[in-house]
Amino acid sequence: ETGVTQTPRHLVMGMTNKKSLKCEQHLGHNAMYWYKQSAKKPLELMFVYNFKEQTENNSVPSRFSPECPNSSHLFLHLHTLQPEDSALYLCASSQAAGSLYEQYFGPGTRLTVT
Amino acid sequence: EDKVVQSPLSLVVHEGDTVTLNCSYEVTNFRSLLWYKQEKKAPTFLFMLTSSGIEKKSGRLSSILDKKELFSILNITATQTGDSAVYLCAVYDRGSTLGRLYFGRGTQLTVWP
Repeated sequence: ETGVTQTPRHLVMGMTNKKSLKCEQHLGHNAMYWYKQSAKKPLELMFVYNFKEQTENNSVPSRFSPECPNSSHLFLHLHTLQPEDSALYLCASSQAAGSLYEQYFGPGTRLTVT
Repeated sequence: EDKVVQSPLSLVVHEGDTVTLNCSYEVTNFRSLLWYKQEKKAPTFLFMLTSSGIEKKSGRLSSILDKKELFSILNITATQTGDSAVYLCAVYDRGSTLGRLYFGRGTQLTVWP
């Protein structure tokens, strides 16, 4: 596997379910990111981890809970979501967090909350 | 209010045409501007620009930054159907310790054969 991978690619869940999104990067990077992409809106940063430490939480509701057990893996735990949380969730990684490094994206998880 | 504004929002051209995509920004502490191409799902990195007036080029794609006027353009010459995608512009704002990447809404480019 190369680059940034995400699983599952598609997820349908009810508002009372608990699920997790997984991201893995094979680039030897030290920073990982979660973004939300809704229709007609800009990509929106959710969380940043740099060397396994969370450095940004962009006022994300607590029903989204990130976890970064090591520099290669990032999870997004979901519980009691709302229909407006339906979106494409993209994971990205970069050599380190900061403006000198471009971010590389995974293919995303298309989430539908019913 | 969006910190990064792209125009046009959509563009339809024929193969062989040349297109120019625009990106203007307004951030507190500009550090760099990035262009991405998004086909179906994963945005793929095209260019990172940090200095004004220096053109970056990759095949038929080129981009330049004007830090005085706060904009960048992405040019695609001799377009092909494979260039059809959403082109995203993003700007690093070093407002926080490590900087945050702000994205525009993208330009949807459609190239007809």
